[in-house]
Amino acid sequence: GDSVTQTEGQVALSEEDFLTIHCNYSASGYPTLFWYVQYPGEGPQLLFRASRDKEKGSSRGFEATYDKGTTSFHLRKASVQESDSAVYYCALSDLNSGGSNAKLTFGKGTKLSVKS
Amino acid sequence: DPKIIQKPKYLVAVTGSEKILICEQYLGHNAMYWYRQSAKKPLEFMFSYSYQKLMDNQTASSRFQPQSSKKNHLDLQITALKPDDSATYFCASSQEADWGYTLYFGAGTRLSVL
Repeated sequence: GDSVTQTEGQVALSEEDFLTIHCNYSASGYPTLFWYVQYPGEGPQLLFRASRDKEKGSSRGFEATYDKGTTSFHLRKASVQESDSAVYYCALSDLNSGGSNAKLTFGKGTKLSVKS
Repeated sequence: DPKIIQKPKYLVAVTGSEKILICEQYLGHNAMYWYRQSAKKPLEFMFSYSYQKLMDNQTASSRFQPQSSKKNHLDLQITALKPDDSATYFCASSQEADWGYTLYFGAGTRLSVL
């Protein structure tokens, strides 16, 4: 079945550091890829998505590029702020596997802590 | 104000008991869902409803039964609770169940089964 692997379970940075969270996926078809963010006490919320190879998704200074060749969708931000502290989830949805916009397969999440 | 309300926020239950998790959404959406997040597993899709009809069920156990009494409600009844059911249960909704609509999540109900 489909799967999403996030390499980092936790990331600790200082403000203005560069962020990379790695996401690799395995899917039989051509999935849509998502990044979600979850702040303490809240549910996950969509950061952005990408549906085609080489498509870049971006929001609030975060970005990721769909790479079908390496089956990756790594999240990056040039300069993190304390307010970016949250849990970040990579997810996919594959129509060919019976997925839909709402039936997502999530990674385990990466907890980002940013200190000032 | 939260647009998807889940009640209660925390819930403690004893093994073998039954509980109902409440979800109401005020986004005017036609599709609603349940996801589960446990310590051992990432967020997992459980059910999807569209216009109050079950569209997809990925939960192996019949102990989990969604209930939709109104268009903007999708409660989750769990019977014969087990410690393995301990998890945070998230309700979500989208305008439609079709491709391209953003999924919005509630804040979750954290269930602990003793």
